[in-house]
Amino acid sequence: AQSVAQPEDQVNVAEGNPLTVKCTYSVSGNPYLFWYVQYPNRGLQFLLKYITGDNLVKGSYGFEAEFNKSQTSFHLKKPSALVSDSALYFCAVRDYSGGGADGLTFGKGTHLIIQP
Amino acid sequence: DVKVTQSSRYLVKRTGEKVFLECVQDMDHENMFWYRQDPGLGLRLIYFSYDVKMKEKGDIPEGYSVSREKKERFSLILESASTNQTSMYLCASDAGFFNEQFFGPGTRLTVL
Repeated sequence: AQSVAQPEDQVNVAEGNPLTVKCTYSVSGNPYLFWYVQYPNRGLQFLLKYITGDNLVKGSYGFEAEFNKSQTSFHLKKPSALVSDSALYFCAVRDYSGGGADGLTFGKGTHLIIQP
Repeated sequence: DVKVTQSSRYLVKRTGEKVFLECVQDMDHENMFWYRQDPGLGLRLIYFSYDVKMKEKGDIPEGYSVSREKKERFSLILESASTNQTSMYLCASDAGFFNEQFFGPGTRLTVL
């Protein structure tokens, strides 16, 4: 069975500082990893994904994530935080076991708060 | 602009009522999904469908059923609503396993 852990319920960062939101995963096959963001009273929006290739993945709004197979991690990063980045962030994984349209397994989410 | 729409943003029902949540996507996606979102638990998969009239159970299917009669529409049914089904329900669709999912705005269901 696959699982995702987001060890921090909340991350506080000052505006202009770099930010990191942590994610670790567990899968039996090859991991396919995603980050989503949810603004208040909104659905989830896709930020970026890792399928294969370069370990550093760039996504929307200046976010990037680094896939680390040995540490089974996929941390979300941004060099300079904006107040508008404040939201709820979800890491998710799909474990490709040979076919089908299995859904995503999500972490519990991390509240990111950017302080002016 | 691609879109997943859900029939209601807010819904209040009584215990024991039959509840229908509707989801429509305009992207011609094969795959559609229903999740519920609860604070501290993240999103959990209820059911998904990879084709018309096809359905698969997710992680928490108990107390729910689904219907997919047309490619663009995926319905979630609560046969007899209970208070522990009070939650935010999110519908999603995607174009294949390696593609990102597109989510609807969610339906916040309260069962009294």
